[in-house]
Amino acid sequence: AQTIHQWPVAEIKAVGSPLSLGCTIKGKSSPNLYWYWQATGGTLQQLFYSITVGQVESVVQLNLSASRPKDDQFILSTEKLLLSHSGFYLCAWSLDRGDTQYFGPGTRLLVL
Amino acid sequence: AQKVTQTQTSISVMEKTTVTMDCVYETQDSSYFLFWYKQTASGEIVFLIRQDSYKKENATVGHYSLNFQKPKSSIGLIITATQIEDSAVYFCAMRVTNSAGNKLTFGIGTRVLVRP
Repeated sequence: AQTIHQWPVAEIKAVGSPLSLGCTIKGKSSPNLYWYWQATGGTLQQLFYSITVGQVESVVQLNLSASRPKDDQFILSTEKLLLSHSGFYLCAWSLDRGDTQYFGPGTRLLVL
Repeated sequence: AQKVTQTQTSISVMEKTTVTMDCVYETQDSSYFLFWYKQTASGEIVFLIRQDSYKKENATVGHYSLNFQKPKSSIGLIITATQIEDSAVYFCAMRVTNSAGNKLTFGIGTRVLVRP
């Protein structure tokens, strides 16, 4: 069975500081991976997707970047956090383009 | 562009009864997929059920079922025999077949409270 792990569970960061969030999926080779963001009380918005190692496409520009250094790893980062980056970040995976997406447990980020 | 609209902000029901949630979608594409997800109090997003646009039969999984009305661009979620643990926020989502990035477009969610 596939398992998806996100780290850290939660972060409190200062405006202007760097950020790195991680996502690892086990039990499936070459998954499609996605990053989503959810403002408190809001809906989910897709940020990035990746179909293979080294390939990442941006869906929405929020002064964030993403990378896929390994088949099972997806990283979300920024060099300078903004207050608007606060929220809930979710990693998701699917078997291929046409399949259902399944979500990880998420990382809560508070930027002060 | 795709759009998903959930007009019910919150619903309160008694345990063991049936709850129905509405969702209306907009797309120019003839082939698409519709999903319902549940977000628990911990924030976990759980996939519940999906409906492929080319399928006429309403999908059913456990005590979740869909009311797919294609001419009305509507995909309602029905939960029968509700339990306390069904209390959550329910999101409707859509993806068109040729969407870049396999993008899911979500509605704003409907909060369901199941009372004992």
